[in-house]
Amino acid sequence: KNQVEQSPQSLIILEGKNCTLQCNYTVSPFSNLRWYKQDTGRGPVSLTIMTFSENTKSNGRYTATLDADTKQSSLHITASQLSDSASYICVVCLSGGYNKLIFGAGTRLAVHP
Amino acid sequence: NAGVMQNPRHLVRRRGQEARLRCSPMKGHSHVYWYRQLPEEGLKFMVYLQKENIIDESGMPKERFSAEFPKEGPSILRIQQVVRGDSAAYFCASSLKSSGSPDTQYFGPGTRLTVL
Repeated sequence: KNQVEQSPQSLIILEGKNCTLQCNYTVSPFSNLRWYKQDTGRGPVSLTIMTFSENTKSNGRYTATLDADTKQSSLHITASQLSDSASYICVVCLSGGYNKLIFGAGTRLAVHP
Repeated sequence: NAGVMQNPRHLVRRRGQEARLRCSPMKGHSHVYWYRQLPEEGLKFMVYLQKENIIDESGMPKERFSAEFPKEGPSILRIQQVVRGDSAAYFCASSLKSSGSPDTQYFGPGTRLTVL
């Protein structure tokens, strides 16, 4: 069964600190892995997309890693800001046919002053 | 270039009524996807449409739910005879293409359906 699992479920950090969110997946056939940010009451917004051959990708203070052998990914947030408070969703795209997405349940991050 | 638009943003229905959710994709996008998000859960795929065609509806319940994406106008997700379990946030996403190199799906703000 295609599954995407994320940890931790929720996380509280102080402003300015770094954090790392984890994602494990059992999805086949794999095409690419994406991280989305979802603010409360809003739709998800894409942060990064990584294909099988990429093992790291950055977008400002966000850096995603991918280990396709162990089927693990992480999202590292550097120098957190209050506006980083949101849910971060790991999404795996199936290959073959169209870009069908399998979503994790997300990690809810709260950044406190 | 306006993003994906959904309306209404909030919809309240009584059990047995019909809910009609609209989605206007980004300009130039002809691929539309509908997802459902229950509280504390991840988004679940419902249906994928191109103009005038349903490509994959494997995530959509067989009864009471239907979707369309006409040649002109927005995509519509229709839920007939709503039940309390239909209460959820419904998100629409659009993309420029559907396959080949990774293509970003852009999400709308969602419609929050509450069934009383």
